[in-house]
Parts: sequence; C-alpha cells; structure tokens
Amino acid sequence: GAVVSQHPSWVICKSGTSVKIECRSLDFQATTMFWYRQFPKQSLMLMATSNEGSKATYEQGVEKDKFLINHASLTLSTLTVTSAHPEDSSFYICSARAQGAGEQYFGPGTRLTVT
Amino acid sequence: SQKIEQNSEALNIQEGKTATLTCNYTNYSPAYLQWYRQDPGRGPVFLLLIRENEKEKRKERLKVTFDTTLKQSLFHITASQPADSATYLCAPSLRYGQNFVFGPGTRLSVLP
Repeated sequence: GAVVSQHPSWVICKSGTSVKIECRSLDFQATTMFWYRQFPKQSLMLMATSNEGSKATYEQGVEKDKFLINHASLTLSTLTVTSAHPEDSSFYICSARAQGAGEQYFGPGTRLTVT
Repeated sequence: SQKIEQNSEALNIQEGKTATLTCNYTNYSPAYLQWYRQDPGRGPVFLLLIRENEKEKRKERLKVTFDTTLKQSLFHITASQPADSATYLCAPSLRYGQNFVFGPGTRLSVLP
C-alpha cells in the first residue's frame, strides 16, 4: 500500500515553455501533498505544501507564479513549471500524506531538463 | 535557526557489520523524527517514525533511538548487506503530521 506515482518520469523542454508534472496517490487519499526539488548531491528542498481544495503554501524563495500547484482532488496534485529556464533543471519529487498520518510517501521523481 | 546535521556525508562499512548513522538537531525540540532511505534518481522511502516519548523503535534489521536530551537520533542497520547501500535521511518535525525538513543525508556504502 501507500503508492505514489509521478508522470512523466523525465522531460526535456525548451527554455520559455511550460511543463506540467502529475502526482497521484494510488491507494490512499492524500489530504496533503508536497512538492520538493533536489539538485545533484543535495538533500530535498520543500517547495510547497498543498491541501486538497486549498491554495498551496509556498516556502520562502519559491515563486508561486512560476511554480503553479493544483491539488484538485484527494489523489491528484499537479506542478506546472511556467516559462522554464535552464536553472529550473532539477529533480522534482512529490509526496503525499493521508489525514492524521505523520509519514509521507514519495513519488519516484521527475527529472526536468530545460535546454 | 533550526539546524539538522547527519554525522557524515558518506560512510563505508563491511558487509555483515552494523551501520550506525547519526542525526543531530539544534535550536528546536521535535516531537517526532522520521528516517527515510533514498536511492539515486528515486524518491525517498519511509522507514521508521519515532516519537519523543519512545526511546527506541525497531523494524526487522533496523533500529532507531531518539534522545531528546542529547538532541540526537541514531539509526542502526544490523547485519548490513550491499543492498542497504543508499542515502539515509533523517527528518525531525515539531508535531505529528507537521511538515518537516530533511537532514543533508548520509550516503552509506556496504562493501561485500
């Protein structure tokens, strides 16, 4: 149980375009979903937290207009990187947490490369 | 500000030995602490959660301790195997269900 999927697993896009990444909890209802970014040889950095049906809460330094998050249902959250630039190239990982739970279950990650 | 440190960036041990990883935190008092494993190019996998009123938690070959006086958690893998090679992340949180911050991780290599 507690499986989280992400799609796509990797994507290459041109500078200036937008990319959408999906995160789904497959066998549980995720009242809260998280989006992280991880650069090579670094730990995960939390970008934002989203509760189903509410606006996402962004961490300091994360541009909400650039990283659009939608958590429209208890099993789906999306992250859209708008007007992507090469410095946005990174490994993006989502996680999901059920109501009342402490642990998070992570997706396999999406490798974004902006050329 | 809150700070999380993990004992070393990398740790090499011989197969069959016990691996001990350390997580130290400063400037706050978490009520819960979690340990995750991350393999290269993959998302972290939840391993264990320990509460502040629990001294120790075990799961198969894994053992976690939580010393709120020392502000430290130890993560042990007994009878280590090459398949245990991965990066291990600790994640303290102030309250159950609250967001947490990951430590920098320790990359464990178990040598055959």
